[in-house]
Amino acid sequence: QSVLTQPPSVSGAPGQRVTISCTGSKSNIGAGYGVHWYQQRPGTAPTLLIYGDFNRPSGVPDRFSASKSGTSGSLAITGLQAEDEADYFCQSYDSSLSAYVFGAGTKVTVL
Amino acid sequence: QVQLQESGPGLVKPSQTLSLTCTVSGGSISSGSYYWNWIRQPAGKGLEWIGRIYSRGSANYHPSLERRVTISLDTSKNLFSLKLTSVTAADTAVYYCARDGLAAADYWGPGTLVSVSS
Repeated sequence: QSVLTQPPSVSGAPGQRVTISCTGSKSNIGAGYGVHWYQQRPGTAPTLLIYGDFNRPSGVPDRFSASKSGTSGSLAITGLQAEDEADYFCQSYDSSLSAYVFGAGTKVTVL
Repeated sequence: QVQLQESGPGLVKPSQTLSLTCTVSGGSISSGSYYWNWIRQPAGKGLEWIGRIYSRGSANYHPSLERRVTISLDTSKNLFSLKLTSVTAADTAVYYCARDGLAAADYWGPGTLVSVSS
């Protein structure tokens, strides 16, 4: 069982908005550690989508946005496109474990 | 543009040592304030952080693997390495190396599949 909890799957039609939650605890997200988000398409390595709670690396479309509140982070994809179909993982640091931890991942399906 | 590439045996026998290297190009692993990570992913499952080493040489490991893991730098070859001892089938996974910049893993290698089987 992952330290960070994500929904197994979300889906939406092209053009719609979907959100993915990442729920942690007081020893990770709630302690103020940054939440990072990665996109992983089948058969490829993850790529960084969001770092430090809400920052986009250069080259990441502004359709991707993220926020954090309390012990949870959230990733939003607006204007959903077929190419957004992938697995999405959140990551943070956990002070109880002294380790970086990932969520189990959320599969986004574009209907 | 920084690029990372994992290499090593694709098959390791149970109880033996898994050894992988990550060759970095497009930048020196000993310059800047970067951490160099190993992360793995069993088939169909999520990501697991194994550990990381700072560009100045200090390393941190996941507590569940700490007794079996060593990550080291070879600045002369611009690579870093992973050694995981006493492997079992549970260590079968795709192993990724990645750089920590921006406080997150901003550059990843393509990954290498390591199977543990006799």
